[in-house]
Amino acid sequence: AQKVTQAQTEISVVEKEDVTLDCVYETRDTTYYLFWYKQPPSGELVFLIRRNSFDEQNEISGRYSWNFQKSTSSFNFTITASQVVDSAVYFCALSQPDNDMRFGAGTRLTVKP
Amino acid sequence: DAMVIQNPRYQVTQFGKPVTLSCSQTLNHNVMYWYQQKSSQAPKLLFHYYDKDFNNEADTPDNFQSRRPNTSFCFLDIRSPGLGDAAMYLCATARNGVRETQYFGPGTRLLVL
Repeated sequence: AQKVTQAQTEISVVEKEDVTLDCVYETRDTTYYLFWYKQPPSGELVFLIRRNSFDEQNEISGRYSWNFQKSTSSFNFTITASQVVDSAVYFCALSQPDNDMRFGAGTRLTVKP
Repeated sequence: DAMVIQNPRYQVTQFGKPVTLSCSQTLNHNVMYWYQQKSSQAPKLLFHYYDKDFNNEADTPDNFQSRRPNTSFCFLDIRSPGLGDAAMYLCATARNGVRETQYFGPGTRLLVL
C-alpha cells in the first residue's frame, strides 16, 4: 500500500512566524522517493525538493528546511520566518519504482501580514 | 528557459461538446503526465506516456483520451464533457520515470456550461 497523509488541512500564521507542515507516508518498499510541491493561487505546482529513501540527511534551502525520519515515516517541511508570499497549498508526495506518484491531500498555508 | 507549457490557461466548453487541451515541453523528457485536480483536492493521475507507450489509470473514465504525436506535445481529449469534468488539468513531465522529479505546467482550468 502506498499512502501519504497530511493531517493539517489548513494552517494560518502571522508573518515572520516559523511553521512546520507535517507529512507521514506508508509504503512497503525499501526504495521510494518523497517530494514536496508548492501550489500558489496561480495553480502551477512548483517543485521544492526530492528525497530518496536511502538519504536521510536533512536539507536546508534558505528559509526552507526538511526533516526526513524513516523511523517515524515522516518528511516534514519547515518554513522559517514565514512571508506572505509563502501562502499556498503545499503537497507532499510519494513514488515507488513500480507505482506512480501519490499526493497527500495538501495543506493550505495562509501567512498574514 | 526549458519549460512545460499548457494552452489555453482557461477553457470554456459546453456540456457534451468535445474539447482538447494541449501541453508542450522543451525539456525533452520521455514521460508526460495528465492530472485532473478538482477544487481543494490533490491532483489525480489520469494517464501518462512513457515515450510512445500509453499508460491509463484503471479508474480514468473512457471519456478521457490522450494523444502524443511527438516527444514535445501531448493532448488531452475530453469527448463529451460533463459538469463533473470541470477542473484544473495539469500536465507534467519527467525525464524517465517515477524515480524522477515531475515538472508541472501552469494548468488549464476547464469550465463546463
